Amino acid sequence: QVQLVQSGAEVKKPGSSVKVSCKASGGTFSSYTISWVRQAPGQGLEWMGRIIPILGIANYAQKFQGRVTITADKSTSTAYMELSSLRSEDTAVYYCARDYDSSGYYWGYWGQGTLVTVSS
Amino acid sequence: EIVMTQSPATLSVSPGERATLSCRASQSVSSNLAWYQQKPGQAPRLLIYGASTRATGIPARFSGSGSGTEFTLTISSLQSEDFAVYYCQQYNNWPPLTFGPGTKVDIK
Repeated sequence: QVQLVQSGAEVKKPGSSVKVSCKASGGTFSSYTISWVRQAPGQGLEWMGRIIPILGIANYAQKFQGRVTITADKSTSTAYMELSSLRSEDTAVYYCARDYDSSGYYWGYWGQGTLVTVSS
Repeated sequence: EIVMTQSPATLSVSPGERATLSCRASQSVSSNLAWYQQKPGQAPRLLIYGASTRATGIPARFSGSGSGTEFTLTISSLQSEDFAVYYCQQYNNWPPLTFGPGTKVDIK
């Protein structure tokens, strides 16, 4: 079965960057998209962007354009999300998610989440 | 950007009762709408896509309906494990893919 395993919690200083990984097992990594969705404490879900590993093409929400970079390494079935110029409002749980049926737009498989805390 | 709204923010329901959750889009999203369930400390779980198609393994007590701008998630007879937050998400116009703010279903 499909599993997405994310890297561990991070504590970062304002202005720094964070890179979260998401390793997939089961299924065919390159045939699906991986999205990144974040959730601030006590808040709702926010889509940040996605990548199509087989093409290496990423799309981003305009809100994060210029600050987020999503990449994928097909050889290790791992996706990455790097967020730069961190501020306190970026404190959140970051999830990777794989699309349910290769549509690319809704997600049936999720990682366990990675808490990123931005604090001076 | 398509803005999604959900109502009510909180729904108090007794076990065994029916729950009806609403989701509205700021413009038509056709049937390109999904519903998720999220429990505390867990990742979201896909319930419904295409406005009305249940994902694999989702019990038949969950049903989705609607198209255009108005959508409904119905839980026909609430079980204890159904108390959670429910989010709708549109995928008709993107980027960005957008979620509603969620409806919390709690025990009455």
